[in-house]
Amino acid sequence: EAGVTQFPSHSVIEKGQTVTLRCDPISGHDNLYWYRRVMGKEIKFLLHFVKESKQDESGMPNNRFLAERTGGTYSTLKVQPAELEDSGVYFCASSQLQGKGTGELFFGEGSRLTVL
Amino acid sequence: AQSVTQLGSHVSVSEGALVLLRCNYSSSVPPYLFWYVQYPNQGLQLLLKYTSAATLVKGINGFEAEFKKSETSFHLTKPSAHMSDAAEYFCAVSDNAGGTSYGKLTFGQGTILTVHP
Repeated sequence: EAGVTQFPSHSVIEKGQTVTLRCDPISGHDNLYWYRRVMGKEIKFLLHFVKESKQDESGMPNNRFLAERTGGTYSTLKVQPAELEDSGVYFCASSQLQGKGTGELFFGEGSRLTVL
Repeated sequence: AQSVTQLGSHVSVSEGALVLLRCNYSSSVPPYLFWYVQYPNQGLQLLLKYTSAATLVKGINGFEAEFKKSETSFHLTKPSAHMSDAAEYFCAVSDNAGGTSYGKLTFGQGTILTVHP
């Protein structure tokens, strides 16, 4: 069974440009999460989808960040326009709904974003 | 608000020695607690979790952790370190116990474990 996959693994862009990160969760996982780790800091929650609906987006830094999950399958996280402080590793994770499994989060390998 | 503190950003041990990675948390509700490991160029992998059952939790690869409410701690231990244990370890607390999943986690800053021959 395929795990959580993220694309691209590494993106280097200039300040002001746009980047779109993609996450494919494990098939059948209704919960999808985005997290971010800025260098030297802790991993921080960004938002949570249940199927195609945003359950909690309290961690989104500002309106330059837009997350979507069309059809409740894969998700994208767009940063537009990117700023220097957006550099970091963006992790995606998925899980089954509580009651359908252990609730364990499965993480992807992360997308490293470097803004110059 | 919940928070997690991992004492020591870097821990170095010799192969065969005890591994002890410290984690303290604060939570206004009974917490769900987790330890994750990240090997180089890989995603985070769940080592073990505490969800209000037994206070001593056994995980994968010989790791275990003990939930101590009085000390608000959830330290991770392994009796004998292997070279393959070298990785970064994260302690986390769930902000959503009893909700749709355990997934909204608050992480500590991580501890890099180095194992010397």
